[in-house]
Amino acid sequence: AQKVTQAQTEISVVEKEDVTLDCVYETRDTTYYLFWYKQPPSGELVFLIRRNSFDEQNEISGRYSWNFQKSTSSFNFTITASQVVDSAVYFCALSEARVQGAQKLVFGQGTRLTINP
Amino acid sequence: DTEVTQTPKHLVMGMTNKKSLKCEQHMGHRAMYWYKQKAKKPPELMFVYSYEKLSINESVPSRFSPECPNSSLLNLHLHALQPEDSALYLCASSQQSGTTYEQYFGPGTRLTVT
Repeated sequence: AQKVTQAQTEISVVEKEDVTLDCVYETRDTTYYLFWYKQPPSGELVFLIRRNSFDEQNEISGRYSWNFQKSTSSFNFTITASQVVDSAVYFCALSEARVQGAQKLVFGQGTRLTINP
Repeated sequence: DTEVTQTPKHLVMGMTNKKSLKCEQHMGHRAMYWYKQKAKKPPELMFVYSYEKLSINESVPSRFSPECPNSSLLNLHLHALQPEDSALYLCASSQQSGTTYEQYFGPGTRLTVT
């Protein structure tokens, strides 16, 4: 069975601090995809990144960076120099093997990040 | 353009009402999804349409009835709902070929059943 664990339920930091959100996953598939989504108070889930299981390169996009390590089944997300606008719930997700031609996402429970001014 | 639109933004309905939620995308995506999200929980998949055909129904009660009139539109028809069905209903879409693609979500409809 596929499973995503985000052990940090809530994180609160002061603006400009760096913060890392942890994500650990379980899967028996050799081919899988990992995602991070941001959900601000408005409710819409915003896609941040997709990573496939064959690409262990870390990625940096502005203040955001992702560390994918298959050896520890982790896909962690770091925000550098956090800003108040980064306050949101962040979900890590894993896609199962394609079922009937469509993709199913398994979400973690989410981490609520609060950036205080 | 990576926009998925949903209407209405808010809906209050009684348990005997019939209402519909609408979702639209113009990204040429051929897979569309309905999710239900309760407060402080992750989204839960309800239905998946692939090439306008229902491909996944996650054992959703029949009081929820999905419809995909064409590749750009997705509806969710609601009838005889219960108060516990109050939630944020999210629509999403994704490409439908080759490598698994990310899903793009709409802003959701906040449904309250009284």
